[in-house]
Amino acid sequence: AQKITQTQPGMFVQEKEAVTLDCTYDTSDPSYGLFWYKQPSSGEMIFLIYQGSYDQQNATEGRYSLNFQKARKSANLVISASQLGDSAMYFCAMRVRGYQKVTFGIGTKLQVIP
Amino acid sequence: SQTIHQWPATLVQPVGSPLSLECTVEGTSNPNLYWYRQAAGRGLQLLFYSVGIGQISSEVPQNLSASRPQDRQFILSSKKLLLSDSGFYLCAWNILAGGISLSDTQYFGPGTRLTVL
Repeated sequence: AQKITQTQPGMFVQEKEAVTLDCTYDTSDPSYGLFWYKQPSSGEMIFLIYQGSYDQQNATEGRYSLNFQKARKSANLVISASQLGDSAMYFCAMRVRGYQKVTFGIGTKLQVIP
Repeated sequence: SQTIHQWPATLVQPVGSPLSLECTVEGTSNPNLYWYRQAAGRGLQLLFYSVGIGQISSEVPQNLSASRPQDRQFILSSKKLLLSDSGFYLCAWNILAGGISLSDTQYFGPGTRLTVL
């Protein structure tokens, strides 16, 4: 079975500072993909970044980067230069080869302080 | 480009009433379609997914059902709503090309907030 663990229910960060949101995963399959989504108060789920298990480099998308440590089974999201608009729920997710569904973590609520 | 629509955006229904939520995708063919429910302040619970017309897989046994009458249309239904059916319902799509890749990414609709009173 696949499992995603997000242990930080809530995080605060000062505007313009960097923040790391933790995510660990559990699977015995060597082929999987990891995703991060942002959910603002409006409710829409916005895709942020993807990391494949065979990707040699950490994924980056603008101010978002994924700190992928395969041996530790962690896929932390790093947001640089936080902005007030980054305040939202953030979900880590995983899909394992051969499975249709994506497993989501319970999320971390990030609040950016002016 | 692809877009996904859901309606209605908000719904308030009495206990015991029927439900029909609709999701449509534009700009792609033969997508995989998914229904999720999110209780207040909680994560996403996968309810149903579909890999093609008429093909529905249920993840959680409950009083909800899903149908896919057309390639890009996914409907969530109930004959009699319960209080516990309240939540935020999200539809999503992706294309699974085999293996693992960025194309696995699920893209979500704007959601429907359902309140059962």
